[in-house]
Amino acid sequence: QLHLVQSGAEMKKPGASVKVSCKASGYTFTAYYIHWVRQAPGHGLEWMGWINPNSGATKYAQKFQGRVTMTRDTSTGTAYMELSSLRSADSTIYYCAASDASQGTLNWYDPWGQGTLVTVSS
Amino acid sequence: DIVMTQSPDSLAVSLGERATIHCKSSQSILRGSNNKNYLAWYQQKPGQPPKLLVYWASTRKSGVPDRFSGSGSGTDFTLTISSLQAEDVAVYYCHHYYNTPPTFGQGTKVEIK
Repeated sequence: QLHLVQSGAEMKKPGASVKVSCKASGYTFTAYYIHWVRQAPGHGLEWMGWINPNSGATKYAQKFQGRVTMTRDTSTGTAYMELSSLRSADSTIYYCAASDASQGTLNWYDPWGQGTLVTVSS
Repeated sequence: DIVMTQSPDSLAVSLGERATIHCKSSQSILRGSNNKNYLAWYQQKPGQPPKLLVYWASTRKSGVPDRFSGSGSGTDFTLTISSLQAEDVAVYYCHHYYNTPPTFGQGTKVEIK
Protein backbone atom coordinates (compact mmCIF):
# COMPACT_ATOMS: atom_id res chain seq x y z
CA GLN A 1 0.00 0.00 0.00
CA LEU A 2 1.31 3.40 -0.98
CA HIS A 3 2.50 5.46 1.97
CA LEU A 4 4.21 8.84 2.17
CA VAL A 5 5.99 10.02 5.33
CA GLN A 6 7.21 13.59 5.59
CA SER A 7 9.91 15.16 7.71
CA GLY A 8 9.13 17.03 10.89
CA ALA A 9 8.16 20.61 11.60
CA GLU A 10 10.64 23.35 10.78
CA MET A 11 11.18 26.85 12.13
CA LYS A 12 13.12 29.24 9.93
CA LYS A 13 14.07 32.90 9.87
CA PRO A 14 12.97 35.20 7.05
CA GLY A 15 15.29 34.91 4.07
CA ALA A 16 16.36 31.37 4.92
CA SER A 17 15.57 28.16 3.02
CA VAL A 18 13.73 25.05 4.10
CA LYS A 19 13.98 21.54 2.69
CA VAL A 20 11.13 19.12 3.33
CA SER A 21 11.43 15.42 2.61
CA CYS A 22 8.79 12.90 1.58
CA LYS A 23 9.68 9.21 1.87
CA ALA A 24 7.64 6.76 -0.17
CA SER A 25 7.00 3.14 0.64
CA GLY A 26 4.78 0.29 -0.46
CA TYR A 27 5.20 0.82 -4.18
CA THR A 28 7.72 1.40 -6.94
CA PHE A 29 8.98 4.94 -6.26
CA THR A 30 9.38 5.79 -9.93
CA ALA A 31 5.80 4.81 -10.80
CA TYR A 32 4.18 7.83 -9.19
CA TYR A 33 4.72 11.55 -9.62
CA ILE A 34 5.19 13.45 -6.39
CA HIS A 35 3.31 16.73 -6.12
CA TRP A 36 3.75 19.39 -3.46
CA VAL A 37 0.70 21.26 -2.18
CA ARG A 38 0.59 23.79 0.61
CA GLN A 39 -2.32 24.78 2.81
CA ALA A 40 -2.37 28.21 4.30
CA PRO A 41 -5.14 29.34 6.65
CA GLY A 42 -7.62 31.28 4.62
CA HIS A 43 -5.91 30.36 1.35
CA GLY A 44 -6.99 26.76 0.94
CA LEU A 45 -4.92 24.25 -0.98
CA GLU A 46 -2.26 25.57 -3.36
CA TRP A 47 -0.35 23.40 -5.83
CA MET A 48 3.37 24.15 -5.97
CA GLY A 49 4.64 21.69 -8.55
CA TRP A 50 5.57 18.11 -9.30
CA ILE A 51 8.59 15.93 -9.85
CA ASN A 52 8.82 12.81 -11.96
CA PRO A 53 10.89 10.48 -9.76
CA ASN A 54 11.88 8.42 -12.78
CA SER A 55 13.43 11.18 -14.88
CA GLY A 56 13.84 13.94 -12.33
CA ALA A 57 11.82 16.27 -14.55
CA THR A 58 9.95 18.99 -12.71
CA LYS A 59 7.15 21.46 -13.27
CA TYR A 60 6.64 24.38 -10.93
CA ALA A 61 3.74 26.74 -10.40
CA GLN A 62 4.57 30.15 -11.82
CA LYS A 63 4.16 31.71 -8.38
CA PHE A 64 7.08 29.70 -7.01
CA GLN A 65 9.39 29.76 -10.05
CA GLY A 66 12.88 30.73 -8.96
CA ARG A 67 12.19 29.98 -5.29
CA VAL A 68 11.32 26.28 -5.27
CA THR A 69 13.44 23.27 -6.16
CA MET A 70 12.11 19.72 -6.21
CA THR A 71 14.52 16.80 -6.25
CA ARG A 72 14.50 13.11 -5.53
CA ASP A 73 16.79 10.31 -4.37
CA THR A 74 15.79 7.11 -6.07
CA SER A 75 18.12 5.04 -3.87
CA THR A 76 16.05 5.88 -0.78
CA GLY A 77 12.68 6.53 -2.42
CA THR A 78 12.59 10.07 -1.11
CA ALA A 79 11.43 13.29 -2.72
CA TYR A 80 12.45 16.74 -1.52
CA MET A 81 11.01 20.23 -1.80
CA GLU A 82 13.25 23.19 -1.04
CA LEU A 83 11.79 26.68 -0.75
CA SER A 84 14.15 29.63 -0.52
CA SER A 85 13.90 33.31 0.43
CA LEU A 86 11.30 32.44 3.04
CA ARG A 87 8.88 35.09 4.29
CA SER A 88 6.16 35.03 6.90
CA ALA A 89 3.55 34.29 4.24
CA ASP A 90 5.28 30.94 3.67
CA SER A 91 4.33 29.83 7.19
CA THR A 92 1.95 26.98 6.54
CA ILE A 93 1.59 23.22 6.15
CA TYR A 94 3.31 21.59 3.19
CA TYR A 95 2.06 18.27 1.81
CA CYS A 96 3.49 15.83 -0.66
CA ALA A 97 1.04 13.73 -2.63
CA ALA A 98 1.35 10.97 -5.22
CA SER A 99 -0.27 10.56 -8.62
CA ASP A 100 -0.04 7.58 -10.95
CA ALA A 101 2.59 8.34 -13.57
CA SER A 102 0.98 5.97 -16.07
CA GLN A 103 -1.82 8.52 -16.44
CA GLY A 104 0.49 11.44 -17.01
CA THR A 105 0.83 14.57 -14.94
CA LEU A 106 -2.88 15.50 -15.01
CA ASN A 107 -4.22 13.26 -12.28
CA TRP A 108 -5.78 13.10 -8.84
CA TYR A 109 -3.63 12.81 -5.73
CA ASP A 110 -3.61 9.69 -3.59
CA PRO A 111 -2.17 9.24 -1.05
CA TRP A 112 -0.95 12.39 0.70
CA GLY A 113 1.82 12.70 3.25
CA GLN A 114 0.91 13.70 6.77
CA GLY A 115 2.06 17.29 6.23
CA THR A 116 5.00 19.36 7.47
CA LEU A 117 4.46 22.62 9.32
CA VAL A 118 6.91 25.32 8.34
CA THR A 119 7.01 28.44 10.50
CA VAL A 120 8.89 31.51 9.34
CA SER A 121 9.60 33.98 12.10
CA SER A 122 12.35 36.29 13.21
CA ASP B 1 -5.88 29.50 -14.26
CA ILE B 2 -9.17 27.67 -13.76
CA VAL B 3 -11.01 28.95 -10.70
CA MET B 4 -12.95 26.42 -8.66
CA THR B 5 -15.79 27.85 -6.57
CA GLN B 6 -17.57 25.76 -3.98
CA SER B 7 -20.91 26.42 -2.35
CA PRO B 8 -21.88 26.72 0.34
CA ASP B 9 -18.82 27.56 2.46
CA SER B 10 -20.37 25.58 5.29
CA LEU B 11 -23.49 23.58 6.01
CA ALA B 12 -25.04 21.87 8.98
CA VAL B 13 -27.03 18.70 8.38
CA SER B 14 -28.85 16.38 10.76
CA LEU B 15 -27.54 12.87 11.18
CA GLY B 16 -29.00 10.60 8.54
CA GLU B 17 -29.94 13.49 6.28
CA ARG B 18 -28.49 14.39 2.88
CA ALA B 19 -25.60 16.82 2.44
CA THR B 20 -24.98 18.38 -0.96
CA ILE B 21 -21.86 20.33 -1.92
CA HIS B 22 -21.49 22.17 -5.21
CA CYS B 23 -18.35 22.98 -7.18
CA LYS B 24 -18.23 25.19 -10.25
CA SER B 25 -15.25 25.61 -12.54
CA SER B 26 -14.55 28.80 -14.45
CA GLN B 27 -14.22 26.80 -17.68
CA SER B 28 -15.18 23.33 -18.78
CA ILE B 29 -13.03 20.53 -17.40
CA LEU B 30 -14.57 17.92 -19.69
CA ARG B 31 -12.02 16.65 -22.19
CA GLY B 32 -13.67 15.74 -25.48
CA SER B 33 -11.00 13.25 -26.51
CA ASN B 34 -11.93 10.83 -23.70
CA ASN B 35 -15.24 12.26 -22.46
CA LYS B 36 -13.87 12.51 -18.92
CA ASN B 37 -14.33 15.28 -16.39
CA TYR B 38 -11.01 16.05 -14.72
CA LEU B 39 -12.38 16.55 -11.23
CA ALA B 40 -11.68 14.96 -7.85
CA TRP B 41 -13.19 15.35 -4.39
CA TYR B 42 -11.30 15.10 -1.10
CA GLN B 43 -12.29 14.92 2.56
CA GLN B 44 -10.09 16.58 5.18
CA LYS B 45 -10.56 16.07 8.91
CA PRO B 46 -8.83 18.31 11.47
CA GLY B 47 -5.12 17.62 11.77
CA GLN B 48 -5.14 15.20 8.83
CA PRO B 49 -4.18 15.48 5.17
CA PRO B 50 -6.86 15.42 2.48
CA LYS B 51 -8.14 11.98 1.52
CA LEU B 52 -9.36 11.09 -1.95
CA LEU B 53 -13.06 10.26 -2.21
CA VAL B 54 -13.96 10.57 -5.89
CA TYR B 55 -12.10 11.01 -9.18
CA TRP B 56 -13.23 11.49 -12.79
CA ALA B 57 -16.08 13.43 -11.16
CA SER B 58 -18.10 10.32 -10.32
CA THR B 59 -15.78 7.35 -9.73
CA ARG B 60 -15.69 6.49 -6.05
CA LYS B 61 -12.33 5.36 -4.74
CA SER B 62 -12.30 1.74 -3.58
CA GLY B 63 -13.17 1.54 0.11
CA VAL B 64 -15.06 4.84 0.24
CA PRO B 65 -18.58 4.31 1.65
CA ASP B 66 -21.27 4.32 -1.01
CA ARG B 67 -23.13 7.14 0.75
CA PHE B 68 -20.59 9.40 -0.99
CA SER B 69 -21.34 10.09 -4.65
CA GLY B 70 -20.09 12.56 -7.22
CA SER B 71 -21.94 13.86 -10.23
CA GLY B 72 -21.91 16.60 -12.83
CA SER B 73 -20.17 17.47 -16.05
CA GLY B 74 -18.56 20.38 -17.84
CA THR B 75 -18.46 23.17 -15.27
CA ASP B 76 -20.93 22.10 -12.58
CA PHE B 77 -20.32 19.30 -10.11
CA THR B 78 -21.85 17.95 -6.94
CA LEU B 79 -20.69 15.80 -4.06
CA THR B 80 -23.57 14.19 -2.18
CA ILE B 81 -23.46 12.45 1.16
CA SER B 82 -26.73 10.54 1.11
CA SER B 83 -27.04 9.89 4.85
CA LEU B 84 -24.69 11.96 6.99
CA GLN B 85 -22.78 10.10 9.67
CA ALA B 86 -20.90 11.61 12.60
CA GLU B 87 -17.58 10.58 11.07
CA ASP B 88 -18.34 12.63 7.95
CA VAL B 89 -17.76 15.92 9.78
CA ALA B 90 -14.92 17.42 7.77
CA VAL B 91 -13.99 19.96 5.13
CA TYR B 92 -14.54 18.83 1.55
CA TYR B 93 -12.55 20.11 -1.43
CA CYS B 94 -13.00 19.80 -5.17
CA HIS B 95 -9.89 19.74 -7.35
CA HIS B 96 -9.51 20.04 -11.11
CA TYR B 97 -6.62 18.34 -12.85
CA TYR B 98 -7.62 19.33 -16.39
CA ASN B 99 -4.52 21.40 -17.02
CA THR B 100 -1.62 23.10 -15.28
CA PRO B 101 -1.88 24.56 -12.76
CA PRO B 102 -4.35 22.28 -11.01
CA THR B 103 -6.44 24.22 -8.55
CA PHE B 104 -8.76 23.52 -5.63
CA GLY B 105 -12.03 24.90 -4.40
CA GLN B 106 -11.96 26.90 -1.18
CA GLY B 107 -13.53 24.07 0.79
CA THR B 108 -16.94 23.36 2.33
CA LYS B 109 -17.19 22.62 6.03
CA VAL B 110 -19.80 20.01 6.91
CA GLU B 111 -21.10 19.90 10.47
CA ILE B 112 -23.85 18.15 12.38
CA LYS B 113 -27.02 20.14 13.05
